[in-house]
Amino acid sequence: NAGVMQNPRHLVRRRGQEARLRCSPMKGHSHVYWYRQLPEEGLKFMVYLQKENIIDESGMPKERFSAEFPKEGPSILRIQQVVRGDSAAYFCASSPSGQGFYEQYFGPGTRLTVT
Amino acid sequence: GQQVMQIPQYQHVQEGEDFTTYCNSSTTLSNIQWYKQRPGGHPVFLIQLVKSGEVKKQKRLTFQFGEAKKNSSLHITATQTTDVGTYFCAGKTNAGKSTFGDGTTLTVKP
Repeated sequence: NAGVMQNPRHLVRRRGQEARLRCSPMKGHSHVYWYRQLPEEGLKFMVYLQKENIIDESGMPKERFSAEFPKEGPSILRIQQVVRGDSAAYFCASSPSGQGFYEQYFGPGTRLTVT
Repeated sequence: GQQVMQIPQYQHVQEGEDFTTYCNSSTTLSNIQWYKQRPGGHPVFLIQLVKSGEVKKQKRLTFQFGEAKKNSSLHITATQTTDVGTYFCAGKTNAGKSTFGDGTTLTVKP
């Protein structure tokens, strides 16, 4: 059973470009979470999605950031017009359910560098 | 909103010494989870505590959940160099949302 997959693992973008980060959850998992981690810092919750639904986006910046988890295909975190401050590691995690007592399985992360 | 505080932020120990990290929530939790992130890696689930006052052990690691379900601790006995990394707690409320603490980064001097 493959784990959570994220691609690309490393992404370099110039200021003003768009960044698209992909996350394929573990087989059978329908809940996806996105986190941002700055160097030497903790995990900051961004958004929690189910298939075709955004459940909680309280951690997402209001502008330039969006996320989706379509019926088919991976979850996508999109950052438009990237700025230097967007440089960070972005982790996605999946679980079989959002309720109850399920752990989150993390992907290897995408390291975004904005030049 | 819910806040989860973790202390200390950093801990440097000599190999063989013990280590403890503490996690405190501003609200009562339905459960708490602990994760470990090795340098350059991703968080990996260690354990989950659900019951008030619960204590669980994994070899040299002891996890406790407070009686009021608002705090938790992770204690490592006789640290080894393989224990290095950042330990995160994640508290979940009845509403279902998990909030991660900022983590405690452990370094172990051989």
